[in-house]
Amino acid sequence: DAGVTQSPTHLIKTRGQHVTLRCSPISGHKSVSWYQQVLGQGPQFIFQYYEKEERGRGNFPDRFSARQFPNYSSELNVNALLLGDSALYLCASAFPGAGLAEAFFGQGTRLTVV
Amino acid sequence: AQTVTQSQPEMSVQEAETVTLSCTYDTSESDYYLFWYKQPPSRQMILVIRQEAYKQQNATENRFSVNFQKAAKSFSLKISDSQLGDAAMYFCAYYDDYGGSQGNLIFGKGTKLSVKP
Repeated sequence: DAGVTQSPTHLIKTRGQHVTLRCSPISGHKSVSWYQQVLGQGPQFIFQYYEKEERGRGNFPDRFSARQFPNYSSELNVNALLLGDSALYLCASAFPGAGLAEAFFGQGTRLTVV
Repeated sequence: AQTVTQSQPEMSVQEAETVTLSCTYDTSESDYYLFWYKQPPSRQMILVIRQEAYKQQNATENRFSVNFQKAAKSFSLKISDSQLGDAAMYFCAYYDDYGGSQGNLIFGKGTKLSVKP
């Protein structure tokens, strides 16, 4: 079975631009969460979606948004990019009802804002 | 709010030796989960071991074991017979189902483990 897949792997954007990151969860997983990992730090929670509804939101500005599709894949959108948005963005999926007690992570998208 | 603290930014161990990584956390919940994740240069976060707070027995996975001290809110990871492939960033993480962590993982800042041949 395929694991959690994220695309693209790397991305370079200019300040002020918009970016969309994509995540496909493991087959059968209905929960998807997004994390931002700045260099040298642990991941910080951005969003959780379960059954296509937002179930949790971290302390991030409104420039960050996400959605989950009927096939449980998810997109993370960031508007008006700032240099400080440069980070590794991780997606995690989990079994229905397992909450995050057993989350599986993708390899992440490395976003560089110049 | 729940917090996770890893006080060792870097650790080093000789191949085949044993190393212990430290983690403390703060929570007012009685039922929760604790994790150790490994993040190699490939960037993918890999689950090493998981501990449910209601279980008194320390979790073990092959060469990896934990020392879970609930009253002290301490959760250390012991790696026995260290191998070169163990070199990575190790993150301690907390999770509960009650909304205290908004249903998501709270990570420490990580410990970089180097393994010397």
